[in-house]
Amino acid sequence: KAGVTQTPRYLIKTRGQQVTLSCSPISGHRSVSWYQQTPGQGLQFLFEYFSETQRNKGNFPGRFSGRQFSNSRSEMNVSTLELGDSALYLCASSSGTVPGEQYFGPGTRLTVT
Amino acid sequence: DQQVKQNSPSLSVQEGRISILNCDYTNSMFDYFLWYKKYPAEGPTFLISISSIKDKNEDGRFTVFLNKSAKHLSLHIVPSQPGDSAVYFCAALYNQGGKLIFGQGTELSVKP
Repeated sequence: KAGVTQTPRYLIKTRGQQVTLSCSPISGHRSVSWYQQTPGQGLQFLFEYFSETQRNKGNFPGRFSGRQFSNSRSEMNVSTLELGDSALYLCASSSGTVPGEQYFGPGTRLTVT
Repeated sequence: DQQVKQNSPSLSVQEGRISILNCDYTNSMFDYFLWYKKYPAEGPTFLISISSIKDKNEDGRFTVFLNKSAKHLSLHIVPSQPGDSAVYFCAALYNQGGKLIFGQGTELSVKP
């Protein structure tokens, strides 16, 4: 089975712009979660989608949004980028068989200048 | 507020010895606790988990212990191998959903 894939792997944007990141989960996985990793804050949960519906949400401003398509692929969008949004964005998918067991992609490294 | 804390940013152990990684939490409503391992330039990989109703779970060289009264869990790796060198994240889950609360991570270095 192919693992979780994320595109693009690296991205450089300017303050004020918006960005869309993409995630393809493992085939058959219906849950997709997004996390932000920064050196100061560690891994922080952004949101989870299950069957095209947002099931859980973290404590991030409304500039961060996401969606899931009928094939379980997911996208996250960040509008009006700030310097502090520079981070590694990780996507994870799960089958729900083992609670908490998630399969992570390699991440998208976003740099905001 | 940091609901899951790993107070040791790094740990160095000799090959063949035991590695003990610690984690504290504040929310008694967590259902499951998990450990993930992360190598540079890769996403975290699930290692082992434990339900809040258990106090121990073993999988090969890895054992997780849960002390609910102290709100503390630990991961034991015996024997430690150089390939175990990575960053280890403790995580907690409630409502069995997809929202994992992670600690800050502990970087383990196993020296030959």
